[in-house]
Amino acid sequence: SQQGEEDPQALSIQEGENATMNCSYKTSINNLQWYRQNSGRGLVHLILIRSNEREKHSGRLRVTLDTSKKSSSLLITASRAADTASYFCATADMGRRALTFGSGTRLQVQP
Amino acid sequence: KAGVTQTPRYLIKTRGQQVTLSCSPISGHRSVSWYQQTPGQGLQFLFEYFSETQRNKGNFPGRFSGRQFSNSRSEMNVSTLELGDSALYLCASSLEGAAVETQYFGPGTRLLVL
Repeated sequence: SQQGEEDPQALSIQEGENATMNCSYKTSINNLQWYRQNSGRGLVHLILIRSNEREKHSGRLRVTLDTSKKSSSLLITASRAADTASYFCATADMGRRALTFGSGTRLQVQP
Repeated sequence: KAGVTQTPRYLIKTRGQQVTLSCSPISGHRSVSWYQQTPGQGLQFLFEYFSETQRNKGNFPGRFSGRQFSNSRSEMNVSTLELGDSALYLCASSLEGAAVETQYFGPGTRLLVL
């Protein structure tokens, strides 16, 4: 079963704008990971944030984690048409050696 | 290093048949996990192998099975295929497993059951 929901389910923005996606989960976690998927292909890892971290940056990506609210957000700044993809959060639950994925956000960046 | 490879990339089968999918992890990675992705259920964990042993299993029927070889390559098998098994099957590898580190995914095998 899926860990939780991502919000929004779909997002359409113009190039240069920022995109924010939110993820909620239900259990205690070791880490939370964000992945990108283009058109039903394989998943590409974007960033991993551990349960004792609150914020992490990687290039144009900023991820926050609030373990008290069991939520995370992914911010993509200055978006590009090439960022068009589906974005998934995935949690690594304590004691379970598997990723539990959210439902995903479909991002469309208009050139 | 070469990435995770999966073969075949596309497969068409009919109900009742069986299928075997293959995954070659990144060199040196000992953990291989399998996931099923469908439009209705999303991404769901099937099982994880580490050093030839199944360490964890998702909530799938016994028709889904897997194994891992001494070179860390992994195969998954689905017997008595059903229409609902049509999906993108993804494998992922890492050194120690998803609990502690990034997973590296292959391009997937798209299975269509007719």
